[in-house]
Amino acid sequence: LAKTTQPISMDSYEGQEVNITCSHNNIATNDYITWYQQFPSQGPRFIIQGYKTKVTNEVASLFIPADRKSSTLSLPRVSLSDTAVYYCLVGDCADSNYQLIWGAGTKLIIKP
Amino acid sequence: GAVVSQHPSWVICKSGTSVKIECRSLDFQATTMFWYRQFPKQSLMLMATSNEGSKATYEQGVEKDKFLINHASLTLSTLTVTSAHPEDSSFYICSASGTLQETQYFGPGTRLLVL
Repeated sequence: LAKTTQPISMDSYEGQEVNITCSHNNIATNDYITWYQQFPSQGPRFIIQGYKTKVTNEVASLFIPADRKSSTLSLPRVSLSDTAVYYCLVGDCADSNYQLIWGAGTKLIIKP
Repeated sequence: GAVVSQHPSWVICKSGTSVKIECRSLDFQATTMFWYRQFPKQSLMLMATSNEGSKATYEQGVEKDKFLINHASLTLSTLTVTSAHPEDSSFYICSASGTLQETQYFGPGTRLLVL
């Protein structure tokens, strides 16, 4: 089963670009990489998903190197409301069940 | 985007009560639904995976007779916590996807407090 490793916490300031890197050394060929954001007492919210190279949407960018053993979520010009826990997940196909393996996440705190 | 709702959002019950939580996909057909539990300051823990019309697949350590899951239609799954006890107090979250390979969309969660 693929596992992910992320920093436990990060601090930044309003207006800065924040990059959160996730390691997934055992990623399988068919696995996608997905990032979620979670505020306290709320369900996770999908941010972005990618397979390789770079993916960009209106919220964030996701950079994935050629070996796919890591990925970096980039949040441009963060605001206080971006304070949340960010989870990096790698899809794992096992016994016909496609399960997202949840790590501890990265607690991002944005300061004024 | 895809919307998933949960009901109730909050429930407080006495020990021994059975509590049913509903998870609905509002604007898409959910072939697969997932139920998670999250304790304070911890990550999500997958409890079970359910496919419409089939029996749920439970994770190791999750008692299927304790946590009854029904996925009777493509838009509704229910989780029943039977004879709830204080240690069952937690934040329960469901997610839904169109197929096993698609992105999961999460409900807002249900906070259960068992007194």
